[in-house]
Amino acid sequence: EIVMTQSPATLSVSPGERATLSCRAGQGISSNLAWYQQKPGQAPRLLIYGASTRATGIPARFSGSGSGTEFTLTISSLQSEDFAVYYCQQYNNWPVTFGQGTKLEIK
Amino acid sequence: EVQLVESGGGLVQPGGSLRLSCAASGFTFSNYGMSWVRQAPGKGLEWVSYIGSSGTTMYNAGSVRGRFTISRDNAKNSLYLQMNSLTAEDTAVYYCARSPTRIPPGHFDSWGQGTLITVSS
Repeated sequence: EIVMTQSPATLSVSPGERATLSCRAGQGISSNLAWYQQKPGQAPRLLIYGASTRATGIPARFSGSGSGTEFTLTISSLQSEDFAVYYCQQYNNWPVTFGQGTKLEIK
Repeated sequence: EVQLVESGGGLVQPGGSLRLSCAASGFTFSNYGMSWVRQAPGKGLEWVSYIGSSGTTMYNAGSVRGRFTISRDNAKNSLYLQMNSLTAEDTAVYYCARSPTRIPPGHFDSWGQGTLITVSS
């Protein structure tokens, strides 16, 4: 099983600033990585797949990068609606595995 | 509009069984692989089970292997999860999710709202 490690666990950022979230895979997963956003009481929402492709309807302020074992989700200018928990997921191998999440909170 | 609506959740005793359903609409259900993903209270996401578009390919997480069975009825646009020998560790919100990739596993581009399973005596 591929372990996905996200850092930091909690990130405090002011609205309008940039946020950078990291995800590390325990072994190489090529670009088979997705990012999700989850707000309290809601289902996860797909943001990024293929490490860097934005899903339909996702604003351009969200961008993903990386390949192999190191990945980054960047939110260029935080809006109030962006404060949530973010998960990365690898789909290179079975079983599919998720990171433990990064909580993005208002500073 | 893609819609996935789960049902069948509730309170069940340890050792009991439950069957979840997921009704799909707004897309050609038979063209997509589907998964169940769960989230224990206050915890992260855990993939549980996958079934291919035709229903002939299935994968389960080790934590549920031998206890949970995924199935689908393409004529009814429905996904199911039969859960047996439930334990407290199975308490979670269960989501059905669509996999848009032709080759599994893939990511999940649409999710239902979830149904809560509580295993307790």
